[in-house]
Amino acid sequence: QQNVQQSPESLIVPEGARTSLNCTFSDSASQYFWWYRQHSGKAPKALMSIFSNGEKEEGRFTIHLNKASLHFSLHIRDSQPSDSALYLCAVRTGGYKVVFGSGTRLLVSP
Amino acid sequence: DTTVKQNPRYKLARVGKPVNLICSQTMNHDTMYWYQKKPNQAPKLLLFYYDKILNREADTFEKFQSSRPNNSFCSLYIGSAGLEYSAMYLCASRQGQDTQYFGPGTRLLVL
Repeated sequence: QQNVQQSPESLIVPEGARTSLNCTFSDSASQYFWWYRQHSGKAPKALMSIFSNGEKEEGRFTIHLNKASLHFSLHIRDSQPSDSALYLCAVRTGGYKVVFGSGTRLLVSP
Repeated sequence: DTTVKQNPRYKLARVGKPVNLICSQTMNHDTMYWYQKKPNQAPKLLLFYYDKILNREADTFEKFQSSRPNNSFCSLYIGSAGLEYSAMYLCASRQGQDTQYFGPGTRLLVL
C-alpha cells in the first residue's frame, strides 16, 4: 500500500526566497511523480513531472527525484506572492491509481 | 481546451438523502477519477473509470456509486449521505499515461 508523505505542512517565506518542498513515498516500484499546485478556489493543476532519477528545471521551478531514497522534492527559486498555494505531490506505481500527499500550504509574503 | 467541469460547485444535503455529482470533460480522455478531499488530508481516491470499466476502492466500495453514460460524463452517487461525507469532491481525467486534469471540485456539506 503506497504511503505518500509531504513536509512541511505549511511554510511562510519572504518574496524572493528559495523554497523547498519535500515528498516521500513507500513503494520502491513507483515510476511516475508529479507536483500539483492548487490556488484557493481553483482546480489542482499539474506543475511538473519527472519519471527518472535526477533533476528537471522549468523556469523558476526544479524537481528532483531520488528513487533509492524514496524521495522527491520541488524547489522554487525567487518565490513570488503568486506562488502562494497548496502544493500536492503525487505518485503512480504502474496502473491507473495515483496516490497524493496531504499537501504543503505555501505563503509567500510580499 | 483542457477543462474539466463539475456541477454543482456547492451542494447542501440532508442526512439520509441521496446526492448526485456530475463531471464532464471534452478532451476524449479514457480515464476519469473521483477523489474525496477533507481539510489537511490527501485527496483520497474513491473510484475511477477506464473506458467503461469501473474500479472502486475496497474501503469505499459500498459508499459510492458511479456511472459513465458516455466518454465525456461521469457521475458520483451517494445513496444515503452521512455527516462524514462532507468534503470536497474532485473529478479528474487522464489519457493514457499522461497527467491528470482536475475540475474545480464540488463542496458537499451534509447536515
